[in-house]
Amino acid sequence: ETGVTQSPTHLIKTRGQQVTLRCSSQSGHNTVSWYQQALGQGPQFIFQYYREEENGRGNFPPRFSGLQFPNYSSELNVNALELDDSALYLCASSFSAVMNTEAFFGQGTRLTVV
Amino acid sequence: DAKTTQPNSMESNEEEPVHLPCNHSTISGTDYIHWYRQLPSQGPEYVIHGLTSNVNNRMASLAIAEDRKSSTLILHRATLRDAAVYYCILTNMLTFGGGTRLMVKP
Repeated sequence: ETGVTQSPTHLIKTRGQQVTLRCSSQSGHNTVSWYQQALGQGPQFIFQYYREEENGRGNFPPRFSGLQFPNYSSELNVNALELDDSALYLCASSFSAVMNTEAFFGQGTRLTVV
Repeated sequence: DAKTTQPNSMESNEEEPVHLPCNHSTISGTDYIHWYRQLPSQGPEYVIHGLTSNVNNRMASLAIAEDRKSSTLILHRATLRDAAVYYCILTNMLTFGGGTRLMVKP
């Protein structure tokens, strides 16, 4: 049990809609990273939040946005959904934005866009 | 970003040691080497990480080449529960790559 929880576990949306995914980080962790994992591929980094500020971003368009709250939980928002956005979305929390510490992943949210 | 290269798949017999290789020839001096594994229908799970020296923990050992351009994850006695995709990634975890799918035969 990692202590990182994501909600919802599964979601079906229609192309063009907007979606919000949520992540509760492990107690004591101030950094949350989000990843997109397409079927059969490794996770791709979307962005990272450290103490409520964006601390790095991968090669994703601006319609992927996020927030981190004072309790260090986080949201991933995706606007104007496209079919290719169908994937497993993972969040990972860690004690520090300095990446020599282990990260704990949630079970992910499976998003299907139809 | 520095990339890693791993074999797509490997097979092992149960109770035997497994050596999973990773090449990272463009690693920088400050990059840590991390290993995660992902079981079916689960998020990735931390296995081990290191900088220069070999590392051991309860799950595995990490052997790092002297020039740091490659590393090897060692599972000392593979079990069926070790069947997973193993990812070797560098410090900032921007690029996971495809990982190595480890199959363990009883």
